[in-house]
Order: sequence, then structure tokens, then C-alpha cells
Amino acid sequence: KQEVTQIPAALSVPEGENLVLNCSFTDSAIYNLQWFRQDPGKGLTSLLLIQSSQREQTSGRLNASLDKSSGRSTLYIAASQPGDSATYLCALPNSGGSNYKLTFGKGTLLTVNP
Amino acid sequence: GAGVSQSPSNKVTEKGKDVELRCDPISGHTALYWYRQSLGQGLEFLIYFQGNSAPDKSGLPSDRFSAERTGGSVSTLTIQRTQQEDSAVYLCASSRGRAGRNEQYFGPGTRLTVT
Repeated sequence: KQEVTQIPAALSVPEGENLVLNCSFTDSAIYNLQWFRQDPGKGLTSLLLIQSSQREQTSGRLNASLDKSSGRSTLYIAASQPGDSATYLCALPNSGGSNYKLTFGKGTLLTVNP
Repeated sequence: GAGVSQSPSNKVTEKGKDVELRCDPISGHTALYWYRQSLGQGLEFLIYFQGNSAPDKSGLPSDRFSAERTGGSVSTLTIQRTQQEDSAVYLCASSRGRAGRNEQYFGPGTRLTVT
């Protein structure tokens, strides 16, 4: 059974700082890994999806990397802004026949202070 | 185009009443998912629909929960005889195909409070 861990659980940084969020998983036989953002009281917004054959994906100030062999993914946020404050979740489809089920980490609550 | 929509956005109900939650997926998406997000529990899978195939209901927590998807589009999640532990945010998602290869897009959720 896939287990997903996100560290740290919470992070507070000053505006302009570069930061890294971590996601680790136990089963390396993955199809892809998806990073989401969730604002308070809102649904999930997809940020990046990395296929298992890829090492990284970039979108604007966001860069996500994937290392299947070590069971890790990182989300790098450059030049953070107060608007980046949210909970960031990583999720992976189960391996095998039930790969439509996403297993989520518990998230990292990011606060960017102006 | 339009994203996944859910209604109502908030629902307060008395213990023992039945509730229906609605999800409109992105047009053309064949796969639809329901998840539940509870305080301290994180996000958990409830049910999956793919085209005309039989749904995977393995995540439904009890037989008080049921879901259907009409015409391969709109889905309704029904909770009968609600209990306080059913209080959570219910999220719907859709994708072009199975999540193993395709990105899931989530709706804004329905916050259910059972008093």
C-alpha cells in the first residue's frame, strides 16, 4: 500500500525567499506524481503533474522534481509571494489495476509573510 | 473551458437526515471521482466512475453512502441517515481517462456539517 509523507507539515517564510517542499512515497512503481494547491475553504488546484519517465516539470516560478529510486519529489518555489500562501499536497495513483485512486500526503501549510 | 462544479457549496443538516451532493465534471472527461477530506484524516478516495463500466465503490465508508452517474456526466453522492462523523468536505474530480495516466481536476467541494 502506497504511503505518502510530506515534510514539513508547516512552513513560514519571508516574501522573496526560495523554498522547497518535500514529498516521499514508499512504492516506487508509480505512474506519475501530482502536486496540488489548496486555499482555505477551497478545492484543489492542480499545479504540476510529472510522469514516471520524467525527472522534472516547470511552470512559472514552480519546479517539481521526481526521483523514483529514492521515493522522493520536491516542489521548488522561487521568489515566494504572499499569494503563494496555501496548503500544498502531493498525490500519487496507486500502482496496479487501481491506478485511478490517488493517495495524498497530509500537505504542507505554507505561509509567506510580506 | 468550465471546470468541475459542485453544489451546494455548503450544507448543514440534522443528524438522521439524507443529503444529496452534486458534481458536474469537465465536459468530455470520462472518469469521475469522489473524495472526502476530514479534519485530521486527509483526503480519502470514495468512489470512481469510468465511462459505462461498473463503478469502484470500495472507498465508501458504509452502506449509507451511495453514488450514481447519469448519462456518463453528472454524478450525485447520497448519504442516508447522516451521522456527525460524516461532517467533512466532499470533493469531486474528473479526468480524461484513468488517473494513472491523466491529470485529475478537482471541484471546489461541498462542506457538509451534520448537527
